[in-house]
Amino acid sequence: DAGITQSPRHKVTETGTPVTLRCHQTENHRYMYWYRQDPGHGLRLIHYSYGVKDTDKGEVSDGYSVSRSKTEDFLLTLESATSSQTSVYFCAISPSGGAGETQYFGPGTRLLVL
Amino acid sequence: QKEVEQDPGPLSVPEGAIVSLNCTYSNSAFQYFMWYRQYSRKGPELLMYTYSSGNKEDGRFTAQVDKSSKYISLFIRDSQPSDSATYLCAMRSTGTSYGKLTFGQGTILTVHP
Repeated sequence: DAGITQSPRHKVTETGTPVTLRCHQTENHRYMYWYRQDPGHGLRLIHYSYGVKDTDKGEVSDGYSVSRSKTEDFLLTLESATSSQTSVYFCAISPSGGAGETQYFGPGTRLLVL
Repeated sequence: QKEVEQDPGPLSVPEGAIVSLNCTYSNSAFQYFMWYRQYSRKGPELLMYTYSSGNKEDGRFTAQVDKSSKYISLFIRDSQPSDSATYLCAMRSTGTSYGKLTFGQGTILTVHP
């Protein structure tokens, strides 16, 4: 988890409320990713960013939006939280998104939507 | 059908056992293969990384890739209680523009003393 922090680490919210999760990195890596992890599904990509203000959708992006105004910060917003978005959310980073690179993961945020 | 299939276990072995973890995949374009280890309530951490077919060894860990069978394995020798974790395989093709990783579901491993 070195160089990557996520906040909050735990959150309980109610259906219909907006929620924002923050990922902060100190590695100056260009690529940042948001995943969710659910039993039986492994890690699934929600959105990713390849630079400041440059973002794109992953495989499970419905109901989520992202923003990146600084290299070090990548925000994930649940516009109107639903119970199906209860999950563990991980941020990951990689230097340039190249095929030969690995991704490094943050500690995760546990989100419960009631 | 998922692109990557991994037996979720759980797998329970005695200390000192040899552990074999496996993933199968359907996308023949996958060229980069990774194993991540994830301790309870932590983020995944990279354990092994291999390119194309062959073996790679790092201490007690050996990663094998058989592209002809679309099958990868992770072997843990002399398993220790500290190896108890979820192990995730991940794969990537050379054609991806943003480093897209495809993950297996993860195998839960417990090594008991």
